[in-house]
Amino acid sequence: RKEVEQDPGPFNVPEGATVAFNCTYSNSASQSFFWYRQDCRKEPKLLMSVYSSGNEDGRFTAQLNRASQYISLLIRDSKLSDSATYLCVVTPGTGGFKTIFGAGTRLFVKA
Amino acid sequence: SQTIHQWPATLVQPVGSPLSLECTVEGTSNPNLYWYRQAAGRGLQLLFYSVGIGQISSEVPQNLSASRPQDRQFILSSKKLLLSDSGFYLCAWSVPVNTEAFFGQGTRLTVV
Repeated sequence: RKEVEQDPGPFNVPEGATVAFNCTYSNSASQSFFWYRQDCRKEPKLLMSVYSSGNEDGRFTAQLNRASQYISLLIRDSKLSDSATYLCVVTPGTGGFKTIFGAGTRLFVKA
Repeated sequence: SQTIHQWPATLVQPVGSPLSLECTVEGTSNPNLYWYRQAAGRGLQLLFYSVGIGQISSEVPQNLSASRPQDRQFILSSKKLLLSDSGFYLCAWSVPVNTEAFFGQGTRLTVV
């Protein structure tokens, strides 16, 4: 089983749609969780952190389910500019171990 | 503030030639450092990570090697490039405990 798994997509949605991505992780001791966005031919950039209580940033909502070991990202009112690849990221507990990136989910928002 | 520098931005190399990509981080001490590769249209593949000077962990067997001669310097090398080494190489750093990773702008390598 991969340490972090995502549906690669692509998700093709019309403008204004609501779309959700899930990501599962295998290490129950994982401590921190993030969603990154990667535009074509660019480096990944932090979109938002994922907290146990869930968090919202404008049209984006991230949630964590530790019992089932998954995190989710919800995008409401999709914009054309949301088209990108979304990477799920998991960091371990203390001890200097590696940060794990999912392979990403591709999103295409169309007019 | 912390910054990460990665160079060169693009590189075209012939098969069999050597490779050296360099990454440096400023504004932090003892970061975790990573090299990732992304093939065209694919996800990030972790190649190497380092938790300290001289400490390198390899994730996949390959034609590449990494070194960390200084705390904030991470180098990706190859003695002889293969066509399959083409891709987008990304260096990243993170503070060891529970923080996000930050990426350099990447090197787009084409082996011809």
